[in-house]
Amino acid sequence: GAVVSQHPSWVICKSGTSVKIECRSLDFQATTMFWYRQFPKQSLMLMATSNEGSKATYEQGVEKDKFLINHASLTLSTLTVTSAHPEDSSFYICSARAPQNTGELFFGEGSRLTVL
Amino acid sequence: AQKITQTQPGMFVQEKEAVTLDCTYDTSDPSYGLFWYKQPSSGEMIFLIYQGSYDQQNATEGRYSLNFQKARKSANLVISASQLGDSAMYFCAMRGFGTASKLTFGTGTRLQVTL
Repeated sequence: GAVVSQHPSWVICKSGTSVKIECRSLDFQATTMFWYRQFPKQSLMLMATSNEGSKATYEQGVEKDKFLINHASLTLSTLTVTSAHPEDSSFYICSARAPQNTGELFFGEGSRLTVL
Repeated sequence: AQKITQTQPGMFVQEKEAVTLDCTYDTSDPSYGLFWYKQPSSGEMIFLIYQGSYDQQNATEGRYSLNFQKARKSANLVISASQLGDSAMYFCAMRGFGTASKLTFGTGTRLQVTL
């Protein structure tokens, strides 16, 4: 099956710094990638939809200036958490839509961010 | 608007037994897809099974089957012959094929398989 790789798998940073998370589709081209955030013991919440070559579409309540998304190529989308604060600590997961008509999504392994 | 409801926050099942995880949904899209994902403690999301709203037969993938009842708007996941490795969070999700094609998740069910 299709593989989506996410890096880093975990990161610890100081408050006020910026952190970049990469999401790569390894064996297929993904025109659309999605970024989710998961709080402990809760479901995934869609943050934004990343479209290759255009601006990301953010969900209501998600600060686009804080969570910068760049979908520079058909195999790479990045999420940058700018000026991170402890409340940004969370598990971030990306997914890429398979090219087949089912719209099946393949998920990355997730990135656990801890802001001190 | 789309909504997924999973009413079972946690479930226990004995090894080798079958278990059903409930999922109901609501959507205004005439065409949609239903998905089940497994999330082990490692955090990654693993795709399990897919059901299209116009598929005539219920989807099956190995030990996983989806009990799709369109009139009731339910898409329950049945796991047969449970294994210890099945212990995980399970998420039901749906995606409409209309203009708002984002994937909406339920809150998940934590399944614990016991000896």
